[in-house]
Amino acid sequence: SQQGEEDPQALSIQEGENATMNCSYKTSINNLQWYRQNSGRGLVHLILIRSNEREKHSGRLRVTLDTSKKSSSLLITASRAADTASYFCATGANSKLTFGKGITLSVRP
Amino acid sequence: GAGVSQSPSNKVTEKGKDVELRCDPISGHTALYWYRQSLGQGLEFLIYFQGNSAPDKSGLPSDRFSAERTGGSVSTLTIQRTQQEDSAVYLCASSLGLAFNEQFFGPGTRLTVL
Repeated sequence: SQQGEEDPQALSIQEGENATMNCSYKTSINNLQWYRQNSGRGLVHLILIRSNEREKHSGRLRVTLDTSKKSSSLLITASRAADTASYFCATGANSKLTFGKGITLSVRP
Repeated sequence: GAGVSQSPSNKVTEKGKDVELRCDPISGHTALYWYRQSLGQGLEFLIYFQGNSAPDKSGLPSDRFSAERTGGSVSTLTIQRTQQEDSAVYLCASSLGLAFNEQFFGPGTRLTVL
């Protein structure tokens, strides 16, 4: 069964706006990761946040983790057309990484 | 250094035929994973190799699917007697150390079963 579930399923914004994507999960985790996928091919790792961390930044990316609510959010600030892609959260637990179904982000120029 | 590579990039086969998909992980990565992704869907875990340990085959959908990892490096995913529902993109990833570390993905093999 899916561990991480992303919300919304699809998001369309204007270039320059911020994009917020959410992920909820059900069981205890060691870490939570966000990946991006372009054109239905390989995934690219964006950021990893450990279970004892609450917030992490990487460039225009900001990830938060609330283990009490079993949820995470990925914020992309000042979005660009090149950010158009599918974004997946993945939960690391029990020697395995389990991926959600993904969010399709469209950034309009 | 080179990333994860997969071959072929595309494979079209007829129903009932066997196919082999290959994955070359990043050198030194002890963990290797196979996933399947159907159109517009998330990643479905298939199998996981870690060092010399017995692989975790819990995600293989049927006994028509098998995988090997020779010499702790290259892996081959074999699908026997392919069915149309096997059509998908098959992704390979590798990581250093524990299974829930950052995974590095290959570009995938798009399999189409006619």
